[in-house]
Amino acid sequence: EIQLQQSGPELVKPGASVKVSCKASGYAFTSYNMYWVKQSHGKSLEWIGYIDPYNGGTSYNQKFKGKATLTVDKSSSTAYMHLNSLTSEDSAVYYCAFKFAYWGQGTLVTVSA
Amino acid sequence: DILMTQSPSSMSVSLGDTVSITCHASQGISSNIGWLQQKPGKSFKGLIYHGTNLEDGVPSRFSGSGSGADYSLTISSLESEDFADYYCVQYAQFPWTFGGGTKLEIK
Repeated sequence: EIQLQQSGPELVKPGASVKVSCKASGYAFTSYNMYWVKQSHGKSLEWIGYIDPYNGGTSYNQKFKGKATLTVDKSSSTAYMHLNSLTSEDSAVYYCAFKFAYWGQGTLVTVSA
Repeated sequence: DILMTQSPSSMSVSLGDTVSITCHASQGISSNIGWLQQKPGKSFKGLIYHGTNLEDGVPSRFSGSGSGADYSLTISSLESEDFADYYCVQYAQFPWTFGGGTKLEIK
């Protein structure tokens, strides 16, 4: 069974950073780009970028360059998204996905003092 | 960026109805569009890719159509499990962009 298991909810202070993980199982991890998507206010969706787990190559939405950094650990079939300099605008649910067919359960990031 | 205008934003429908949701892209996207389902409080499930292709395990009552800048998702013979939010996503051009969503509610 294909699964993407994301890390748990995060409550972080403004200006801090957070790292969200996405552990893949049930398929060849290095064969598919891993996408990251932001869902704000329970509705609007934004594509953050993707990473090629095979070679670490990335493509980012210009809006998230400098905000998000995507990495992978092939040895554990885990993708990571690091978000820095957090503000209230970064409070959202973040999802990993591949092929837009398979999605993680989402990670709620709340930025609050 | 390509703007995806999705309509309607919500629909009140009955079990057994057939419904269509549309996405209009601000430019042609050559069928590089997918459709997603999100149930309340849950994650997403991919339904359709490349405009017309069903993802594995998706019931045949779901279908996709369209060309150029205009695409549709049709759900035939609505079942109770189909009441959810639906989104389109274009991956013809970076940055990939999503429609605003359609909420299917029970009449």
